[in-house]
Order: sequence, then C-alpha cells, then structure tokens
Amino acid sequence: EVQLVESGGGLVQPGRSLRLSCAASGFTFDDYAMHWVRQAPGKGLEWVSSISWNGRIRDYADSVKGRFTISRDNVKKSLYLQMNSLRDEDGALYYCAKGVGILAGALDFWGQGTLVVISS
Amino acid sequence: DIPLTQSPSFLSASVGDRVTITCRASQAIYTYVAWYQQRPGKAPRLLIYDASTLQTGVPSRFSGSGSGTAFTLTISNLQPEDFATYYCQQLSLYPHNFGQGTKLEIK
Repeated sequence: EVQLVESGGGLVQPGRSLRLSCAASGFTFDDYAMHWVRQAPGKGLEWVSSISWNGRIRDYADSVKGRFTISRDNVKKSLYLQMNSLRDEDGALYYCAKGVGILAGALDFWGQGTLVVISS
Repeated sequence: DIPLTQSPSFLSASVGDRVTITCRASQAIYTYVAWYQQRPGKAPRLLIYDASTLQTGVPSRFSGSGSGTAFTLTISNLQPEDFATYYCQQLSLYPHNFGQGTKLEIK
C-alpha cells in the first residue's frame, strides 16, 4: 500500500524558514517523480514544485522560485521542501504527492498534508 | 504559464443525474490533463489522466474527454459520495497548474 506521510509543518513567523518532509513507503521510491502541492484555507490547489526520480530536474511555481528548494533522498525514501523567506501567502496545507512517471505526469497518490501557518 | 478555466465554478445536481465539467486551456496542451476529486477535509484523489484514462479503482461512471484546449469530465448516475470539488490540472508545461475548481453540490 502506497503511503506518504508529511511532517514539519507548524507556526512560523514571516521571513523565517521551515523544512517539510515526506516519508514514502509501499512503492519503489526512486522510480517516480515527486511533487509538492499546497492549498490555502478555503482555496483551490496550487502546484508548488516537482522533482524527477533522480533529483536532477526540479521545477517551481513562480510564487516560490528562489525561496523554496525541493530535494529527495532515495535511500531514505524521503522528499523534502526547504522553505525560506516565508510570506503570509505561503500559509497553507502542503501535500506531498507521487507522480505516475519518472519525470512528471499526474499525481496518483497523495499524503494527508502538513499545515504551515505564517503569523507574527 | 498556461491558465486553465473550469466551468462552472458551482454545480447543483441530484443523485442519479449526469453532469459535465469543462476545463479550457489558454493554449493547446494535447491530452496532458488530469482530473482530481477532493472531498471536504480529504486529500485530492486522481480520477482521470491523459485526458481520458480512468485511474485504477475509479468507478466507470467517471469519464474524461478532450484534446488541445478543451476537456470535459463527465459523471454519470451521480452517487452521494460524488458530491465534492473537482479540479483539472495541465501537465504539458511547467508550472503544472490546476484549474480553480468546480464544487458539485446536492440539489
């Protein structure tokens, strides 16, 4: 059974940093691209970032480019999102999702999310 | 960016009805579209990928069609568990943005 478990969310002040993690199990982690998607309270889904199976190709939404860094550790079967210079608008539920392919494609399994709250 | 426009934003229907949700892209994206269902308080669930391929385990009352710039998600014989919010996503070019969502409510 595929499982994705996010962690690392919490309350953080604007301008500070936070690192999200996603622990994967139930599939061959290094065979698939992985993704982060966020959802602000009461709002729609926003794609944040994707990383290829080997970590060499990374893409970001314009809203986070230069501030967020996606990475993965295929030995630990884990996905990460380093979030720096956090802004009010970064407050959201952050989902980790598995891609259907090695580079991109649809998101076929999702975690339950970890909540990031930005407040001074 | 390739903006996606979903319509309608809200849809009211009854159990047993057939409904169609449309997703339009600002430029051609071949068939690189996925559809997701999100129930309140839950993570999204993949329904359709490559515009028309049903994800494993998804009931056959869900179907997708389209190519180029116009795509549709059709739900036949609506069931109580289908009342949720639906999103399209384009996977042709980064950023892989989502449509704004369509909330399907019980009439």
